[in-house]
Amino acid sequence: EAQVTQNPRYLITVTGKKLTVTCSQNMNHEYMSWYRQDPGLGLRQIYYSMNVEVTDKGDVPEGYKVSRKEKRNFPLILESPSPNQTSLYFCASSSSRGREYEQYFGPGTRLTVT
Amino acid sequence: TQLLEQSPQFLSIQEGENLTVYCNSSSVFSSLQWYRQEPGEGPVLLVTVVTGGEVKKLKRLTFQFGDARKDSSLHITAAQPGDTGLYLCAGGDNYGQNFVFGPGTRLSVLP
Repeated sequence: EAQVTQNPRYLITVTGKKLTVTCSQNMNHEYMSWYRQDPGLGLRQIYYSMNVEVTDKGDVPEGYKVSRKEKRNFPLILESPSPNQTSLYFCASSSSRGREYEQYFGPGTRLTVT
Repeated sequence: TQLLEQSPQFLSIQEGENLTVYCNSSSVFSSLQWYRQEPGEGPVLLVTVVTGGEVKKLKRLTFQFGDARKDSSLHITAAQPGDTGLYLCAGGDNYGQNFVFGPGTRLSVLP
């Protein structure tokens, strides 16, 4: 089954404690992205990756890091989490059929930073 | 920064009614996507439109991309409770990596 998986699904942590949210896709997609979703603000792109070892900043990259060492994996790293990073996070991967990029989302990770 | 607005923010209707939700921007997009998101889940892609004036139909859902590729609409005919959810539009750039999302329209269809 084609899917994007994220772990963990729920995480409560304290300010400053480094954490990593993993993302994996089994569709051999080149493109992968991380988004955060906050009430009233919709989904905002944090980072995206065009392919292995190629990453770029989205609209809200401050406080986050990513890496793309393998095509299937795209972890999101919070080196020193702060309460304003409490949010719902989604990983997505996409393929292209011409200009119709089909973006598939993971189930989400709800992060609370106290 | 490109921005997308959606209206209405909230919509509550009875089963069988028709509805239209709108997605507007002052920016031109290479493509426009519509997603539906249910509680506790990630958004699920419904459709992608790429040509100005394009109309696509998906059963009872009709999607239209504005001629200038700055706006889009989603029309649902004879809404059903299963249509309940958060409807998101997203504008894409030429390379399909940079998507800007609207804040969403939360639809509730009452039986």
